[in-house]
Amino acid sequence: SAVISQKPSRDICQRGTSLTIQCQVDSQVTMMFWYRQQPGQSLTLIATANQGSEATYESGFVIDKFPISRPNLTFSTLTVSNLSPEDSSIYLCSVKETGGNTQYFGPGTRLTVL
Amino acid sequence: RKEVEQDPGPFNVPEGATVAFNCTYSNSASQSFFWYRQDCRKEPKLLMSVYSSGNEDGRFTAQLNRASQYISLLIRDSKLSDSATYLCAVNIINSGYALNFGKGTSLLVTP
Repeated sequence: SAVISQKPSRDICQRGTSLTIQCQVDSQVTMMFWYRQQPGQSLTLIATANQGSEATYESGFVIDKFPISRPNLTFSTLTVSNLSPEDSSIYLCSVKETGGNTQYFGPGTRLTVL
Repeated sequence: RKEVEQDPGPFNVPEGATVAFNCTYSNSASQSFFWYRQDCRKEPKLLMSVYSSGNEDGRFTAQLNRASQYISLLIRDSKLSDSATYLCAVNIINSGYALNFGKGTSLLVTP
């Protein structure tokens, strides 16, 4: 399976600021996704990161709050903008293996907003 | 009704026991089903895909019941290292291969 890294692994931010999370994969993948896991909850899909075009957002998530870039087939960023304490969560990127339908997750970024 | 539902547990079982988890899904058009394992403060790791005919991987057996819209995971001969949260995932219709996850079932295997 692909090896996925995320940076930063954790951060503590002040409200009103923004955090950009990077996701790097060791091989080219067609599909990359961003999920959020709030404390004690399961994973919720934020958006599908599309290479060369705008991300596809799920209901309840908007581009102004969660801008996403996908400049190539191995890299994506998620920015969480105008942070509030409710954004405190783990953010995970995942990739779908080429030729299959299973997804693998990065190690996650633990965000705390004060 | 949530799209994917699981009994949150916790399931406390002794070593060597057999334990089963169920997961129900609401969209009958769903095509892909998975079980993930998540350890505390770690990312989910794929445990196994679930195929229509059912599939086994060592001590783990997964089953799919399309008529009743549920999938199950059976763990035989539980080990202490099986203690984790088990997440059921189902593909999101019209979102490519993105997944809907259940809240997870917590398993604690005790000596």
